[in-house]
Amino acid sequence: QKEVEQNSGPLSVPEGAIASLNCTYSDRVSQSFFWYRQYSGKSPELIMSIYSNGDKEDGRFTAQLNKASQYVSLLIRDSQPSDSATYLCAVIFMDTGRRALTFGSGTRLQVQP
Amino acid sequence: EAGVVQSPRYKIIEKKQPVAFWCNPISGHNTLYWYRQNLGQGPELLIRYENEEAVDDSQLPKDRFSAERLKGVDSTLKIQPAELGDSAVYLCASSPRGQTSGNTIYFGEGSWLTVV
Repeated sequence: QKEVEQNSGPLSVPEGAIASLNCTYSDRVSQSFFWYRQYSGKSPELIMSIYSNGDKEDGRFTAQLNKASQYVSLLIRDSQPSDSATYLCAVIFMDTGRRALTFGSGTRLQVQP
Repeated sequence: EAGVVQSPRYKIIEKKQPVAFWCNPISGHNTLYWYRQNLGQGPELLIRYENEEAVDDSQLPKDRFSAERLKGVDSTLKIQPAELGDSAVYLCASSPRGQTSGNTIYFGEGSWLTVV
């Protein structure tokens, strides 16, 4: 079982709809959770970070964290064609002392005009 | 402010040949990371430096991969000899000293390696 799991997609939504991206992570001591966006041929860029249970909103983006269920999600409201990209979920696990991001394989989002 | 700079951006080599990638982190960033990203996958950590010390190289295939960060600034990642399975994007990233949060990790544009 991978440490951070995502559905590879593609997830296709119409323009203006809500895109819901999901991520589960292994049962390890984890501290920080992140969503990165990666356009084709480009490097990952940070969209959201979340550290405690609940919701965190930033513009059209909402990150949701449920540590009991080992689940983190990203909602994109009013999806735009420019949101079409691969979304990477990342976790910093603390139990091994590794201070680096562990990424999922990403979910490809397609927003149809 | 300049971002993380990597070179070369693209490299095509024959298998068994050596290759090296160079990274210049953001000025003042003491932590440097090398990640490898295979097609359709997320980045995977190869090595992490704090200044010039490699503090996590558990994922680095040491039989053919080596890395160095002289003087705690620029870093070089080398593969010798390259294998077909090494075809991937090699991402360098940096973050400020003492920061473990992903909020402050900045990625370079990557070095795209194709081994034929």
